[in-house]
Amino acid sequence: DAGVIQSPRHEVTEMGQEVTLRCKPISGHDYLFWYRQTMMRGLELLIYFNNNVPIDDSGMPEDRFSAKMPNASFSTLKIQPSEPRDSAVYFCASSWRGNTEAFFGQGTRLTVV
Amino acid sequence: GIQVEQSPPDLILQEGANSTLRCNFSDSVNNLQWFHQNPWGQLINLFYIPSGTKQNGRLSATTVATERYSLLYISSSQTTDSGVYFCAVRPSGSARQLTFGSGTQLTVLP
Repeated sequence: DAGVIQSPRHEVTEMGQEVTLRCKPISGHDYLFWYRQTMMRGLELLIYFNNNVPIDDSGMPEDRFSAKMPNASFSTLKIQPSEPRDSAVYFCASSWRGNTEAFFGQGTRLTVV
Repeated sequence: GIQVEQSPPDLILQEGANSTLRCNFSDSVNNLQWFHQNPWGQLINLFYIPSGTKQNGRLSATTVATERYSLLYISSSQTTDSGVYFCAVRPSGSARQLTFGSGTQLTVLP
């Protein structure tokens, strides 16, 4: 398996624009997680899905953030409108049954100017 | 929520030296993982170790779940070991997400 695949690797956008980050989990994994990494807050969970259903979105910072998982092999994290404080590295991770080893994608480095 | 504390926050070593990184957690866990974040930002899985001891080459890890801590040992360090080492835990119960510590920044000098 190629592992968790995220795209794009880097994204630079202007404040107010819509940003969509994409993730393909490892085939067969039924849990998918979105994390954000910043210098100030470290690695923090935004939302996670089980069998394509959102389970815990308490980490989503505000209504500008939304996440979907239309099928078992694809998820998106959307920010609309984007703000400079959203600049961070966004990671996607997946695991099987939620209580086994989690694997992370390479991350998307987002810069909002 | 569960608290995860890693020590030391920073560590500078000469190549060839050994080191021990510590992770303390505040509640019972059913998953503990160690990651290495390399200079390119990738999170590399090192160990999945909710309890016991594992070894992989120059690296080994021990988790004593009853005492709520884990240790990562790096022997004969190399410059490529540089980066940030994270401990992440999943608390026992229904939650499925990992909670990360703040990491140990390791610099190995040639």
